[in-house]
Amino acid sequence: GEDVEQSLFLSVREGDSSVINCTYTDSSSTYLYWYKQEPGAGLQLLTYIFSNMDMKQDQRLTVLLNKKDKHLSLRIADTQTGDSAIYFCASRQTGAGSYQLTFGKGTKLSVIP
Amino acid sequence: GAGVSQSPRYKVTKRGQDVALRCDPISGHVSLYWYRQALGQGPEFLTYFNYEAQQDKSGLPNDRFSAERPEGSISTLTIQRTEQRDSAMYRCASSLAPNTEAFFGQGTRLTVV
Repeated sequence: GEDVEQSLFLSVREGDSSVINCTYTDSSSTYLYWYKQEPGAGLQLLTYIFSNMDMKQDQRLTVLLNKKDKHLSLRIADTQTGDSAIYFCASRQTGAGSYQLTFGKGTKLSVIP
Repeated sequence: GAGVSQSPRYKVTKRGQDVALRCDPISGHVSLYWYRQALGQGPEFLTYFNYEAQQDKSGLPNDRFSAERPEGSISTLTIQRTEQRDSAMYRCASSLAPNTEAFFGQGTRLTVV
């Protein structure tokens, strides 16, 4: 089945850019998502990208997709302390079971003031 | 409602007891999902409903786990004869349709002692 991998920790200084990376194994992954999890809160959908796109920008967030390498990244510009959270990459395949999301283990982003 | 609502937020139960976890999806969302998230891991798919029909239960770990959504709205995930390994965050999500963005609730933290 699909496997999604992420690095577990990232630490950046406030005001710098953060780049969170993710790799996936299933080339039929059609949709790729980034979710944010803050303590005591649910999973918040941040953004998503279709597999036929290379890049998507939404305010401070930029998603880059390298379909050949099955690599996805989330860049957060001007990182703020409020961005401290766990970020999950998730993929969804086409075909049977396409409603299922496969999540990585999450990257814990720590922002140093 | 405005978002996906889950209750209770926290549940502590003794080993061997049955528990029922409730999910109230966003109004009008036909698709409903249950995921389980162990500490330090990403959510893992348990089961999926389209309206009242349980279309996929392949992620349920064993026959102690069951779920229902009798009227196509509120869903209940039941765990019978709980075991310590069942301790986890149980997350519910809903989406307008099967292949659209899923919105997650805050989860129920289950602790089996």
